[in-house]
Amino acid sequence: AQTVTQSQPEMSVQEAETVTLSCTYDTSESNYYLFWYKQPPSRQMILVIRQEAYKQQNATENRFSVNFQKAAKSFSLKISDSQLGDTAMYFCAYYNNNDMRFGAGTRLTVKP
Amino acid sequence: DTAVSQTPKYLVTQMGNDKSIKCEQNLGHDTMYWYKQDSKKFLKIMFSYNNKELIINETVPNRFSPKSPDKAHLNLHINSLELGDSAVYFCASSQVQHRNEKLFFGSGTQLSVL
Repeated sequence: AQTVTQSQPEMSVQEAETVTLSCTYDTSESNYYLFWYKQPPSRQMILVIRQEAYKQQNATENRFSVNFQKAAKSFSLKISDSQLGDTAMYFCAYYNNNDMRFGAGTRLTVKP
Repeated sequence: DTAVSQTPKYLVTQMGNDKSIKCEQNLGHDTMYWYKQDSKKFLKIMFSYNNKELIINETVPNRFSPKSPDKAHLNLHINSLELGDSAVYFCASSQVQHRNEKLFFGSGTQLSVL
């Protein structure tokens, strides 16, 4: 099975600054999808951003952007202008053929 | 309307009991999943079903039995509950359509086995 690795269990950032969360994955597939999900204390899983492996252009969603390096199997998330509401667990996920695998998560704290 | 709804939100029970968690999605998706999130927040896939057929069964004890009466429902029945079954269980659904794959999650069921 594919594996997803998030090497940063915890991170913190000052409000309004930029932070980057790391993610690497292992796969032998050429077509797949990558995601970042956010889980605030409310427990709800919220989709942050999505990247299709066949697209070279990095996905962006407002303050959230990714750096997708297919050859290196790396998929980092950049959060710009961090806000207090960004405090949450962030999960990187790999999806292919009805199977989604998650990394262990990074707990992000945004400090005022 | 809630896209993926699971009930109950909280479940407290004694060791050895049998319990069920229900999940329904109104998105018209073909694929549904069960995930277990442990106390360290690790999310592990348990099952996935596509059009009522089992696709993934990840080394889950056979005390866990998913049931998909139709593609909008995927219920999880757990026999002989053990302390280690305490976790949050998430149901999710997805649809392979126009290269728009993504998972929609329910709000989770917090299971506490005493």
